[in-house]
Amino acid sequence: DAGITQSPRHKVTETGTPVTLRCHQTENHRYMYWYRQDPGHGLRLIHYSYGVKDTDKGEVSDGYSVSRSKTEDFLLTLESATSSQTSVYFCAISGTTGYNEQFFGPGTRLTVL
Amino acid sequence: AQSVTQLDSQVPVFEEAPVELRCNYSSSVSVYLFWYVQYPNQGLQLLLKYLSGSTLVKGINGFEAEFNKSQTSFHLRKPSVHISDTAEYFCAVSDRAGTASKLTFGTGTRLQVTL
Repeated sequence: DAGITQSPRHKVTETGTPVTLRCHQTENHRYMYWYRQDPGHGLRLIHYSYGVKDTDKGEVSDGYSVSRSKTEDFLLTLESATSSQTSVYFCAISGTTGYNEQFFGPGTRLTVL
Repeated sequence: AQSVTQLDSQVPVFEEAPVELRCNYSSSVSVYLFWYVQYPNQGLQLLLKYLSGSTLVKGINGFEAEFNKSQTSFHLRKPSVHISDTAEYFCAVSDRAGTASKLTFGTGTRLQVTL
């Protein structure tokens, strides 16, 4: 299994509070991704990173920000959580294989009350 | 832009029966195709991938998929399913290589295997 961990694994928070999710990899892969998974929508890309301090938006980036100060860590921040951000969040990584095979972390279940 | 359509949201099947999970994609360029499996309360695991060459791709756990360029399809098959195959299956497409090319996922098909 690819060395990817996510923390926390579960979190309950209240509307309006800031939340930060962490993805940590031990594979030294260049690319990292944050997805959210919702019933009926599959997985949707929030943000991704192609190197330290290099990030870009995905299809559902509104309300989210990311940071990558080290190769191994990719943080996802909800500046002011809303109930619509209740979801399961997955981190993924990929190397330079040329065909974008991605390896996924175990996920974080976030509930915003 | 690319998109993926998984035609069935749920597929019920009896154990030891064959199964086919359907996936169609649209893209204006050449693609790489993937099937991932998600067991309950877990992350996604790669089942198989099509990069180039033979259109019949074999993956883990006895699954295989066939790339059909003319029909823009990448259907997943297994000749005899087991209870342990109960999971959600996602088809995904990537249209660029060498950079942070992004995967576009379908909405998933839940395979329910019963005795």
